[in-house]
Amino acid sequence: GAGVSQTPSNKVTEKGKYVELRCDPISGHTALYWYRQSLGQGPEFLIYFQGTGAADDSGLPNDRFFAVRPEGSVSTLKIQRTERGDSAVYLCASSDSGSGTDTQYFGPGTRLTVL
Amino acid sequence: KQEVTQIPAALSVPEGENLVLNCSFTDSAIYNLQWFRQDPGKGLTSLLLIQSSQREQTSGRLNASLDKSSGRSTLYIAASQPGDSATYLCAPLGGNTPLVFGKGTRLSVIA
Repeated sequence: GAGVSQTPSNKVTEKGKYVELRCDPISGHTALYWYRQSLGQGPEFLIYFQGTGAADDSGLPNDRFFAVRPEGSVSTLKIQRTERGDSAVYLCASSDSGSGTDTQYFGPGTRLTVL
Repeated sequence: KQEVTQIPAALSVPEGENLVLNCSFTDSAIYNLQWFRQDPGKGLTSLLLIQSSQREQTSGRLNASLDKSSGRSTLYIAASQPGDSATYLCAPLGGNTPLVFGKGTRLSVIA
């Protein structure tokens, strides 16, 4: 596709449930990033992949959060035992090489609501 | 730890005005700085990327400047239009830190 896509666009779940959020980066982009944005705030970094490996996962808030990118393209962010505080917009971005000089292109986000 | 501050938090101007959005950051050891636009309920659109070796970048009515040593960047919007209404976010990228965002400036351009 022409841009970064994310599915679903909206996800409503109950406290304690497990959710998966999917990101399809721009074709050929080796770097992929996950961010979380709460209302009125800027996005906060969660994890960064270079190819298949997580190059930096320092932003994951706790061990309920996990992300994979098994083939170096699509990535899935997984949240176990969801809590109301996990409610936010989850944004995915990709860039050409992750060298630090490349523009990051963002998807539309997944709005997660935990009831 | 990089901290980013954007001033003002919100701005309302009549159509046609030129305006300046300010961004300051605490750690000047950055590779580049990006300015983004975010429309309500949408993702981020990259507007301009300034490399650390550059002092400014221009795209149409937008001009972004970077003073790395003082930890400041400005986004200048000329001849503002109602379609410019959005939240504008700046984000410096450091060598060992991920993209760090400010809270943004919420701009309203009134016709």
